Amino acid sequence: GQNIDQPTEMTATEGAIVQINCTYQTSGFNGLFWYQQHAGEAPTFLSYNVLDGLEEKGRFSSFLSRSKGYSYLLLKELQMKDSASYLCAVPSSGGSYIPTFGRGTSLIVHP
Amino acid sequence: GAGVSQSPSNKVTEKGKDVELRCDPISGHTALYWYRQSLGQGLEFLIYFQGNSAPDKSGLPSDRFSAERTGGSVSTLTIQRTQQEDSAVYLCASSSAAATYEQYFGPGTRLTVT
Repeated sequence: GQNIDQPTEMTATEGAIVQINCTYQTSGFNGLFWYQQHAGEAPTFLSYNVLDGLEEKGRFSSFLSRSKGYSYLLLKELQMKDSASYLCAVPSSGGSYIPTFGRGTSLIVHP
Repeated sequence: GAGVSQSPSNKVTEKGKDVELRCDPISGHTALYWYRQSLGQGLEFLIYFQGNSAPDKSGLPSDRFSAERTGGSVSTLTIQRTQQEDSAVYLCASSSAAATYEQYFGPGTRLTVT
């Protein structure tokens, strides 16, 4: 099975950089997802990492180290609208991509 | 184009009643997932449909829960004899065959069992 661990809550200042960590244990690695979920809304896809290294997408970047079972989401130039829950998820092996989600990290961005 | 839609957006029901929740995936998406999210909890996988294959029901919490997907498109999640612990937001997501890893979520149905 899969096990995901990420911090429950983080706070940061507008304009700053924040790194949200995620560690995972899985019996068969099939990539790692990050989703963003604003309060009362559905999750939206941010990134999918299957190879080691950093993938940059605008202000958001996602890093993966398969040997360490570790990923992080890096948010630069924080904006108030980035206040949301960030969900780390690891899909099952095979083609179904049924993900096990972490409980999410609630990021609060203050002025 | 249209995203994933779900209905109703809110449902209040009495304990013991049956409820049906509907999901319309993005047109052409072959994969469809149901999840539920309780207050302060992570997303819990319920069931997965892929094309015409038999669904993966491994996440259904009890035999009171069932789901269908007709014609490879619309899906209905049915909860029989609802219990208070069934209160949650039920989310549906779909993905394409070309990018199965990228799921598009609907707005969810908030179910309250009184």
